[in-house]
Amino acid sequence: SQTIHQWPATLVQPVGSPLSLECTVEGTSNPNLYWYRQAAGRGLQLLFYSVGIGQISSEVPQNLSASRPQDRQFILSSKKLLLSDSGFYLCAWRTGGSSPLHFGNGTRLTVT
Amino acid sequence: AQSVTQLGSHVSVSEGALVLLRCNYSSSVPPYLFWYVQYPNQGLQLLLKYTSAATLVKGINGFEAEFKKSETSFHLTKPSAHMSDAAEYFCAVIFGGGGNKLTFGTGTQLKVEL
Repeated sequence: SQTIHQWPATLVQPVGSPLSLECTVEGTSNPNLYWYRQAAGRGLQLLFYSVGIGQISSEVPQNLSASRPQDRQFILSSKKLLLSDSGFYLCAWRTGGSSPLHFGNGTRLTVT
Repeated sequence: AQSVTQLGSHVSVSEGALVLLRCNYSSSVPPYLFWYVQYPNQGLQLLLKYTSAATLVKGINGFEAEFKKSETSFHLTKPSAHMSDAAEYFCAVIFGGGGNKLTFGTGTQLKVEL
């Protein structure tokens, strides 16, 4: 069966520090991969998605970037965090077509 | 423009009462539709999905939803609410018969009272 791993679960970082969140999927090949952010009271915001290695689509221009160095690995990064980067970050995968998204357990990021 | 709307950001019901959470979409082409549930500090969990088969879809935890093309709706229901149903619920849509992105509604927080 397929599983998705996302870490860390919680993270507290100072303003201006770098960020790296990692997500890996097991049990499937060539998944579509996604990063979402939930800010308090603002719903789900799609940040990036990828349909293949090295292919990244950015939905919102901002302080973050994403990379997909391997088929089932998706990384969210920032060189310098802002206070506004605080939120709950969710990684997800799907196979395409009519298939649903499958989410990881999320990372709670607090920028202080 | 294609969009998905969840009416009511907060819904409160008594334990044992009917749960009705509303979702409407705007699209000329019937989309694929999903309902997710999110408990605090957790990821979203798929409750059910409609992908052009039966219009009444049964999901986990006793929930079901009915696709009504004429009303462009996909409301989520449960006959009898349980305290454990308290969570946030999201409707999501894939427009255009396929594609790479799901569009999410803004969510409905369900509160279940004794």
